Amino acid sequence: GAGVSQSPRYKVAKRGQDVALRCDPISGHVSLFWYQQALGQGPEFLTYFQNEAQLDKSGLPSDRFFAERPEGSVSTLKIQRTQQEDSAVYLCASSSTGYEKLFFGSGTQLSVL
Amino acid sequence: SQQGEEDPQALSIQEGENATMNCSYKTSINNLQWYRQNSGRGLVHLILIRSNEREKHSGRLRVTLDTSKKSSSLLITASRAADTASYFCATDVEYGNKLVFGAGTILRVKS
Repeated sequence: GAGVSQSPRYKVAKRGQDVALRCDPISGHVSLFWYQQALGQGPEFLTYFQNEAQLDKSGLPSDRFFAERPEGSVSTLKIQRTQQEDSAVYLCASSSTGYEKLFFGSGTQLSVL
Repeated sequence: SQQGEEDPQALSIQEGENATMNCSYKTSINNLQWYRQNSGRGLVHLILIRSNEREKHSGRLRVTLDTSKKSSSLLITASRAADTASYFCATDVEYGNKLVFGAGTILRVKS
């Protein structure tokens, strides 16, 4: 498809487990964003890539969160030693124009038990 | 923390009526965008208005921007049941690398 693809769609993790969330952006999109959305809230910025460079990671809540985009296309958000407060929907978005007109994936819903 | 705040938090109207949502923000911006999110889905871009624009139209959507008051409004005319969704404003932080979203307005259009 031509849209942003995220996998898995749902992830259930036991507290303390490591998880990896994948994002396939729209082909050719230079900019890639990760957001965290708690139930009933707006998306909260986590990190921003321009090609393979991580230009802003100011939104990552702790050093347990790590994101990479090694070849400037697919990105992975890794959360180590998951905790219950990490439960949320993780949204990935890409753009060809910086932070104008972002295209979002459907998200990964993470539940930490 | 979130830059924008939408008002009202929730809005329920009858099909055919107009819906107005407001957004306030805190810092200087280059542009302001509105997005829609259907339940369980990702966000969809609706419209972008730049800081030097005051009003913009797209189909049944009308957006206004008042930079002196740091506020914007989204008007949806002749609403349809399919417009039922959450609506978010988003602002770029001047000299920043991020797009910051508000908490959203939940719109319900009853048929």
